[in-house]
Amino acid sequence: KAGVTQTPRYLIKTRGQQVTLSCSPISGHRSVSWYQQTPGQGLQFLFEYFSETQRNKGNFPGRFSGRQFSNSRSEMNVSTLELGDSALYLCASSPPDGREDTQYFGPGTRLTVL
Amino acid sequence: AQSVAQPEDQVNVAEGNPLTVKCTYSVSGNPYLFWYVQYPNRGLQFLLKYITGDNLVKGSYGFEAEFNKSQTSFHLKKPSALVSDSALYFCAVRDPISSGSARQLTFGSGTQLTVLP
Repeated sequence: KAGVTQTPRYLIKTRGQQVTLSCSPISGHRSVSWYQQTPGQGLQFLFEYFSETQRNKGNFPGRFSGRQFSNSRSEMNVSTLELGDSALYLCASSPPDGREDTQYFGPGTRLTVL
Repeated sequence: AQSVAQPEDQVNVAEGNPLTVKCTYSVSGNPYLFWYVQYPNRGLQFLLKYITGDNLVKGSYGFEAEFNKSQTSFHLKKPSALVSDSALYFCAVRDPISSGSARQLTFGSGTQLTVLP
C-alpha cells in the first residue's frame, strides 16, 4: 500500500497570506489527523477528521482550519499567516479498526513564513 | 489530561552497545503508548506500540519497549545499537478513556539518539 502523501513538500509564504496543505491517507483509512512540529513547541495536535467530520481539535487559533472529503483526503488551511506559523506540518492516518489505533505519518509539509 | 516526559534531550551510545531511551507518562486511565522515530527532513516512522497484554513489546528494526505500570514508564531499548539508529525518537500516549474514539496523540519532547562508530 502507498503511504500517506502530503503536498506540497515545501512552501514559502509571506506574513498575512493564507496557505492550503493537502494530505492523502493510506487507502482504506478514514481518520486523518494533523500535527504541527516546531523546535520550540515540539509536536502539537491540530485536529482530527473522521468521515468528513472534525472529531477533535487542539488548542490552536481559528486561523487554523481543516476539512475532509468523501474520499478521506484532507486539507488544512492557515489564514493570515504569522512568522510563528513556520513549522513542519504532519498528517497522519489511522485504519478504521479501533484496535489497530496506530497513526501512520506522511513526510510533512515544511512551511516557511517570511 | 495526558502527558509524556522524555527526560533526556540527547543520548549518546557506542555502536554495538545496548541503548535505552526513556519515557514516562501520565494518564487517568490505561494508556496506549507508542514510539516513533524521525530522520532528518522526514515524517514520523512508527516503531512499536503497547495497547494491552504482554508488557514487553517488540517492534521494527530490533527495537523493543517495556511497559511498567507501577513506574508509569515505557522505555525504548535495543540490545545492540547501529550507527543507522541515529535519529530523533518520540514517545507518545493516548488515553482512550478521555479521548474516546478520537486518535489524538500527545508527544514527548523527543530524544536525539547518536550512535558513535
